[in-house]
Parts: sequence; C-alpha cells; structure tokens
Amino acid sequence: GDSVTQMEGPVTLSEEACLTINCTYTATGYPSLFWYVQYPGEGLQLLLKATKADDKGSNKGFEATYRKETTSFHLEKGSVQVSDSAVYFCALSGRDNNDMRFGAGTRLTVKP
Amino acid sequence: DGGITQSPKYLFRKEGQNVTLSCEQNLNHDAMYWYRQDPGQGLRLIYYSQIVNDFQKGDIAEGYSVSREKKESFPLTVTSAQKNPTAFYLCASRWGGGRNSPLHFGNGTRLTVT
Repeated sequence: GDSVTQMEGPVTLSEEACLTINCTYTATGYPSLFWYVQYPGEGLQLLLKATKADDKGSNKGFEATYRKETTSFHLEKGSVQVSDSAVYFCALSGRDNNDMRFGAGTRLTVKP
Repeated sequence: DGGITQSPKYLFRKEGQNVTLSCEQNLNHDAMYWYRQDPGQGLRLIYYSQIVNDFQKGDIAEGYSVSREKKESFPLTVTSAQKNPTAFYLCASRWGGGRNSPLHFGNGTRLTVT
C-alpha cells in the first residue's frame, strides 16, 4: 500500500540556519503530496502541497518540490526562525482518494 | 469562522468505561476522519465517512465505533474493548474533491485512561 517515510528527528537548529527535512513516498499512480505542521497541543495545519510531478509548493518561506523520479518531497527553508519550532508531517493522498497517509513526523527546535 | 471543533480538549476515564469524543464541522465538507496520534508513530486512521449514514474502517478500527447521522457531526466512541486507548485523537474533514483536497484538522482531544 501507499506509504510515506520521513527523516527522523529531532532536529535542532540555530536561528537563520537552513532546514531540510527529507520525505520519500511509495504509491501507485500519481499521488498528491502535502506537508503539515503541528504546534504544541494543536491539530495539524496545511503548510503546502503539490499535486503533480515537478510542482513546487511554497508557503511562509518553506518550499517542497514533487520529484517523481526520486519519489521525494523534501521540505526546505533557507532561514529558520524560533517560531518555526514544531512537528512537521509529510503526507500523501493517492489513488484511493478516501485516505491520507502520514509520515511519523519530524520535530524541529530552533534556538535563538 | 469555519472550522472543526473537538471537545473536550482533555478527557479522563477509568478503564472499562466507554467514552465518546465529539467532532463538529461547519465547513460543509462531505468527508470526515478520525486519526489517532501516538508519539513517534505519526497519524493512524481509525474510521472515515464520505457521506451521511455511511462510514468505513481504517487501519486501527478495533475497539472504536462511530456514527454519521448529520453532515456536520462525526462522534467517535472509544469502547472498553480498545486495549490501549490513551492517546491524542484528531478529527479532520475534507471537501469531496479527491486526492488534491487537503485535510482540515480540529485541535484534538487528549484521552487518558487509567
């Protein structure tokens, strides 16, 4: 079945450092790909998405490019802030439109 | 403001008791979902419903039950048959537009069973 594997954390960075969180997927056909963010004690919020190969999703300085050849959707940000500290989830919605599959989540802590 | 409301935020129960978690949405979404979140395991699907009066089991439905009598509401009952019920439960909804539609989440209910 469809699945998502993402980089294990936790990740600790200093403010203004570059961020990359790796995400790879296994799916039949052409899934849509998502990144969600979860702040402490809250539900998940959509951060960005891409629905076809070579699409780039972007929001709040974060970017991710849908790479079909490497089945990847890595999350990147050029300069992180303390307020970016959260748990990040990669997810896919595939041929079975009824479901969304999530990675295990990566906790990011940004120190001033 | 449109959104998903889960209540209560924290819930405590004794072992052997059934408990019902509330989820209400005013987004006019057709599909609703229940996920369970445990540390280091991501989100696992319990049940989902695409239309009123219809629902399907997810990956970990054993020990849980749901109903979908209204479009806006999708309550989850954690029964005494659920062997390890302590977890963070997330309700979500989605416009019925297929794979491109993102999920919208509530703020979760943290259930502790002792």
